[in-house]
Amino acid sequence: AQTVTQSQPEMSVQEAETVTLSCTYDTSENNYYLFWYKQPPSRQMILVIRQEAYKQQNATENRFSVNFQKAAKSFSLKISDSQLGDTAMYFCAFLGSNYKLTFGKGTLLTVNP
Amino acid sequence: EADIYQTPRYLVIGTGKKITLECSQTMGHDKMYWYQQDPGMELHLIHYSYGVNSTEKGDLSSESTVSRIRTEHFPLTLESARPSHTSQYLCASSESGLSTDTQYFGPGTRLTVL
Repeated sequence: AQTVTQSQPEMSVQEAETVTLSCTYDTSENNYYLFWYKQPPSRQMILVIRQEAYKQQNATENRFSVNFQKAAKSFSLKISDSQLGDTAMYFCAFLGSNYKLTFGKGTLLTVNP
Repeated sequence: EADIYQTPRYLVIGTGKKITLECSQTMGHDKMYWYQQDPGMELHLIHYSYGVNSTEKGDLSSESTVSRIRTEHFPLTLESARPSHTSQYLCASSESGLSTDTQYFGPGTRLTVL
């Protein structure tokens, strides 16, 4: 079974600065997908970014980018120019051949003004 | 933003009542999922469906049941609610195929059983 580990339960960053959230996973599969989801307080879970394991190029979405290290099974999320609206719980998730998402425990990110 | 809806958003109910949590999506996705999430915690898959008349139990054991009679509708039912069922329930859907299997989530139903 796959496991996803987010070792930082909470993080904080000043507005306009950059922050990196960590995620590691364990799998024996070679073809899979990794995701970062954002869940603002009392609001809907939304997709931030997606990475296909067979692609060497790191995914980017505006201020959000990932550092995908397949050999190390590491998938960190970098948020540049942090904004107050980035305050949320961030979940790393793995999707393998069983088509079921496995989530990490989440990192609570607070952006301070 | 994905077109996936859940009702009610909040529900407070007494022990022993039967409840149904509704989930609908307008994207024509064939796969649908139910997750249970305690506040500030990770999500646990409790049910999933890969199409009409197909339902499976997820990784976390749950006393709830689901049905999938129509592609767009995936309701979850608790026959007799208990305080241990207090949690947030999230519905999600996705298209088939590993290349497009991104799950989109509804807003959730926060259930409190007294």
